[in-house]
Amino acid sequence: AQTVTQSQPEMSVQEAETVTLSCTYDTSESDYYLFWYKQPPSRQMILVIRQEAYKQQNATENRFSVNFQKAAKSFSLKISDSQLGDAAMYFCAYRSDYGKLTFGQGTILTVHP
Amino acid sequence: NAGVMQNPRHLVRRRGQEARLRCSPMKGHSHVYWYRQLPEEGLKFMVYLQKENIIDESGMPKERFSAEFPKEGPSILRIQQVVRGDSAAYFCASSPPSGQGKYEQYFGPGTRLTVT
Repeated sequence: AQTVTQSQPEMSVQEAETVTLSCTYDTSESDYYLFWYKQPPSRQMILVIRQEAYKQQNATENRFSVNFQKAAKSFSLKISDSQLGDAAMYFCAYRSDYGKLTFGQGTILTVHP
Repeated sequence: NAGVMQNPRHLVRRRGQEARLRCSPMKGHSHVYWYRQLPEEGLKFMVYLQKENIIDESGMPKERFSAEFPKEGPSILRIQQVVRGDSAAYFCASSPPSGQGKYEQYFGPGTRLTVT
């Protein structure tokens, strides 16, 4: 079974600075997808970024980028120019080629003005 | 295009009652997933359904929980004889017909179940 581990229960960053959230996963599959979701206090799950395992290039969405290390099974999220609205719980998630998402435990991100 | 709809948003039940949670997927989506989020935890997969079929129920508790996605109407997650440990946020997600991993699962706003 696949597992996803987020080893940082909480992180904090100053507004306009950069922060990196860590995620590791375990799988025996070769084709899969990785995601970062944001959950603000409203509890709505919002997709931040997606990475296909077969792509070597790291995904980027505006201020959000990932460092995908397939051999190390590592998938970290970098948030540049942090904004107050980035404060939320962030979940790393794994999905095989079909079916369910497996989530990590989450990292609470606090952004200080 | 309306997003994934869940109702009710908040549900309070006494121990021993039944809870029915409804999920209407996005238009054109025929795959529905249910997840549970206990306080201070991540989301845990419960069940994956297509119209009139249960594809994967490996995350469903063996007793008291059931799910359906009929040909017409919303998907229903049913919890019989609720206990305090069932108190959680229940999220529904839907995805396009192919169900392939590359497609995003779109989440509803969740139903917060409180058992008193």
